Amino acid sequence: DTEVTQTPKHLVMGMTNKKSLKCEQHMGHRAMYWYKQKAKKPPELMFVYSYEKLSINESVPSRFSPECPNSSLLNLHLHALQPEDSALYLCASSRPTSGGEGEQFFGPGTRLTVL
Amino acid sequence: AQKITQTQPGMFVQEKEAVTLDCTYDTSDPSYGLFWYKQPSSGEMIFLIYQGSYDQQNATEGRYSLNFQKARKSANLVISASQLGDSAMYFCAMREVPGGGADGLTFGKGTHLIIQP
Repeated sequence: DTEVTQTPKHLVMGMTNKKSLKCEQHMGHRAMYWYKQKAKKPPELMFVYSYEKLSINESVPSRFSPECPNSSLLNLHLHALQPEDSALYLCASSRPTSGGEGEQFFGPGTRLTVL
Repeated sequence: AQKITQTQPGMFVQEKEAVTLDCTYDTSDPSYGLFWYKQPSSGEMIFLIYQGSYDQQNATEGRYSLNFQKARKSANLVISASQLGDSAMYFCAMREVPGGGADGLTFGKGTHLIIQP
């Protein structure tokens, strides 16, 4: 199984809502990532989890709260978002390595619209 | 300063022709990885090819090859015999791992490739 799944595919939420994005992989990867991609822009790294521990937080606002309950699952909890947070949220996984190798496998993304 | 530079915002290529997508990078780390991803309009990022900083040979994967010129800090993607299905956004990306372990990718701005019949 070389697939990363993400749910939901689309999400529309108001600024006062609380929602969660879910990402799952069964490739035995121990590194998982959240990226944010605005329209016509490249993906930007948000968070990195390595062996279920948060290792990188790219100064993301606290209204985004990541969680890694186990080695296969990664969540992104959303609360009090702003319209400018509307974007494609991509999850990825890879095997942690000591060098630069280790391609990241991406899920199909969740298209988030904040009203 | 940008770490990954892709100078071609868009390209039009005739079907069956070869195409080269440019990528230059900037890093002071001796160990790094360079990646190319394809993103169709559906949004999914598809891994194409990887080149490690210590690799002596250029990477190849089917119709994809990476022209790695380390001294010039260049990692161009070459697609041979282009097909209509190659139309997509192409991103060059780099992973620097100064301390080892897991790290994210830094992406260039991308090149929008359109293959014409």
